[in-house]
Parts: sequence; C-alpha cells; structure tokens
Amino acid sequence: EIVLTQSPATLSLSPGERATLSCRASQSVSSYLAWYQQKPGQTPRLLIYDASNRATGIPARFSGSGSGTDFTLTISSLEPEDFAVYYCQQRFNRLTFGGGTKVEIK
Amino acid sequence: QVQLVESGGGLVKPGGSLRLSCAASGFIFSDYYMSWIRQAPGKGLEWVSYISSSGTTIYYADSVKGRFTISRDNAKNSVYLQMNSLRAEDTAVYYCARATGYSHGYAYYWGQGTLVTVSS
Repeated sequence: EIVLTQSPATLSLSPGERATLSCRASQSVSSYLAWYQQKPGQTPRLLIYDASNRATGIPARFSGSGSGTDFTLTISSLEPEDFAVYYCQQRFNRLTFGGGTKVEIK
Repeated sequence: QVQLVESGGGLVKPGGSLRLSCAASGFIFSDYYMSWIRQAPGKGLEWVSYISSSGTTIYYADSVKGRFTISRDNAKNSVYLQMNSLRAEDTAVYYCARATGYSHGYAYYWGQGTLVTVSS
C-alpha cells in the first residue's frame, strides 16, 4: 500500500499569506495525485486532480505541482474561507489518503 | 443535481455485521465508479473500497480486506457495503462518493455520511 505523508501537520498563517503544503509518497505515484479541502462539519471538496489540474469551480489561487513522490499544494494568498484541513490522495495503486494538514489562522 | 444518500449505519457490537446502502440520483449511475470512504471521529480520511461502473473492478483497503464487501445494483442506482466481523477501529462516518467524470480514482461528489459505531 502506498503511504502518503503530509507536512506540516499544522500550518499557522494569516489571511493574505502564501501557504505551501507538502505531500510525499512512499513510492512513485506518477502524476496521479489529488488534493481535497475539508472544513469542519463539511464533506471534502476536490481541489486539484492529477497533480496540477484544478477541479471545476476552484479558484486560481489554488495550484498543485509535483510528480513521482513529491507534491505541493500552494494557496497563493489565503482567504478567510481557506482555513481548513487539506488532504492529498493517490490513485496510482489502489487509493490512499495522506494524514492531512490543518491550515489555521495565526 | 447529484445526490448521494447513505443509510444503514448504527450501533453494533464487536464481531457484528452491518450493511450500508447509498442511493444515487441526478446522474447516470451506471457510468461512474463509486467508493466508500470513512472518517473516524476527529481523524483523517480513509478510502475503504471502490467499485467500477460495471462492478468488475473492486479495491479494498488492507484494513478491511476479507471483512467488507462492496457491490452495486445499477438498476436500483445503489451501491452497498457489507461489513462483517466489525471491530472498534471501524467506528467512523462512512461516506459514499462518486468519481469525477475525468478520472475514476478521485471523489467528486460525496454523501453526507452515515455513522457506524462498534462498541459493546
């Protein structure tokens, strides 16, 4: 089973700042990686698929990059509604999620 | 609009069984892969199982393999999760999810979930 490790566990930032979240895979997943956002009491929302493609309706401030084992989700300028938990997920070999990164208000 | 409605959760003793159902509407059910994903209270997401549109391809997480069985009935627009030999660590909200239209392996639409509690 492919293990995805997300870092940091918690990111404390202010609105307007840039957020950089990392996801590392235990073996190559090519570009078959997605990012989800989950707010308290809500179901997850797909943000990015296949490493760098924004899902329908996702603002341009969200971008994804990487391939192989190292991936990054960047939020260029944090809006108040972006404070949430973010998960990465691979579909290269079965399906697994990372443990999540919480982006909190500093 | 797309709707996914889970049912069948509840309180069950360790070693017991439950069958979850997910009723889908608002899209051509037989065109899409479907998944069950769970989230233990206060924890992260875990992909439990996944079934192709025809039902011929099925994946399970190692944590549930041999105990859980996913199935679907395209005539009834429903997907199911039969859970046997339940353990305390299976306690979670179970979500039904539909794949995206551009990749089978990602979840685009999610139900609101059904809570499964395994406790004596």
